[in-house]
Amino acid sequence: ETGVTQTPRHLVMGMTNKKSLKCEQHLGHNAMYWYKQSAKKPLELMFVYNFKEQTENNSVPSRFSPECPNSSHLFLHLHTLQPEDSALYLCASSLYWPGGPGNTQYFGPGTRLTVL
Amino acid sequence: KQEVTQIPAALSVPEGENLVLNCSFTDSAIYNLQWFRQDPGKGLTSLLLIQSSQREQTSGRLNASLDKSSGRSTLYIAASQPGDSATYLCAVSPWDSGGYQKVTFGTGTKLQVIP
Repeated sequence: ETGVTQTPRHLVMGMTNKKSLKCEQHLGHNAMYWYKQSAKKPLELMFVYNFKEQTENNSVPSRFSPECPNSSHLFLHLHTLQPEDSALYLCASSLYWPGGPGNTQYFGPGTRLTVL
Repeated sequence: KQEVTQIPAALSVPEGENLVLNCSFTDSAIYNLQWFRQDPGKGLTSLLLIQSSQREQTSGRLNASLDKSSGRSTLYIAASQPGDSATYLCAVSPWDSGGYQKVTFGTGTKLQVIP
């Protein structure tokens, strides 16, 4: 399998549940990202990992907890979410430390999350 | 703080028409600008990336231009087809002295090409 994959594609959870989103990239990249896409809003960068180290936390509430066990896998652990957290969560990867010529980000298909 | 605006929010054109999508940004100190396509319920697909030193990039029927001084980019689609129907997003990466670039996305233009 190639590219960036995300599971599950759809998730419905209650506010007291705990769930995890998974992202895997098969591109040999070193940087991975979590984005949130809400209706009528621009994509919001949530977290950035470079060589498994978190380099950016864009003021994300602690009910979202990322984990990057290796350069190919990225998780987003969710607990006690709010209805306003319902959105499309996109994972992306790029070859190296975000920057430099032609450093294109490749996106996964996203997980559609609904919080009841 | 960088702001990226895309106008119009939605566009409907007949098949075969040439069209232009617009993207404007407030801070001209950018490293690069990227155009993405997003199909409903799916992730983003990169279409074109323009470095700050470049004026335009072309791929097939797509041509993207960049005018940093005026804070504008356009995506030109020639001979539009129904398969071009999607949301088109513009994203800019700023220069950052710390070496990290926070990509700022626009809200997109939803294009519908009518057969």
